[in-house]
Amino acid sequence: SQQGEEDPQALSIQEGENATMNCSYKTSINNLQWYRQNSGRGLVHLILIRSNEREKHSGRLRVTLDTSKKSSSLLITASRAADTASYFCATDASSSGTYKYIFGTGTRLKVLA
Amino acid sequence: DVKVTQSSRYLVKRTGEKVFLECVQDMDHENMFWYRQDPGLGLRLIYFSYDVKMKEKGDIPEGYSVSREKKERFSLILESASTNQTSMYLCASSTTQGARGYTFGSGTRLTVV
Repeated sequence: SQQGEEDPQALSIQEGENATMNCSYKTSINNLQWYRQNSGRGLVHLILIRSNEREKHSGRLRVTLDTSKKSSSLLITASRAADTASYFCATDASSSGTYKYIFGTGTRLKVLA
Repeated sequence: DVKVTQSSRYLVKRTGEKVFLECVQDMDHENMFWYRQDPGLGLRLIYFSYDVKMKEKGDIPEGYSVSREKKERFSLILESASTNQTSMYLCASSTTQGARGYTFGSGTRLTVV
């Protein structure tokens, strides 16, 4: 079964609005990452947040992590048409140090110009 | 520009054929991974390797094998292709720590007819 589950499955917003996507997971993690996938392409790493961090920023991206609720959110501010993509969270829960990430099913974001 | 290169973007094979998917990375990464991506199921890990000649099964290894004879190359082998192996296949690599995330290839869309 999936470790991470994104919510919503699909999101459609106007250009300039903020987009928020959520990820819930089941077991304790070492860190959590967010990736973007443009249609039919590979995934691109966006940001990593460690289990002892609560918030992280990168440009227009803001990620929060609440380990007590086993959830994370990705906020994209002032969205652009180019942000249209699928977004995935990935969690590393390995105790063996193999850094094997488990991916969720993704949120499909559509930004309308 | 560092990259992970998958040998084919699109591939069409017949049922029962032996299929080789090749992946090469130029970042001297220790870890390499093969995922398959299907609508509604997200990314599922098939096999991964954390060193030359080392491999470990992921969540869905049945019907697949892998080979890692050199550090930069990780091959996925479909021993006898079946129609339920029609999918997008994604290769990724990472450092041992994995904390900078995975670098993905562009994917191979395999159709088995």
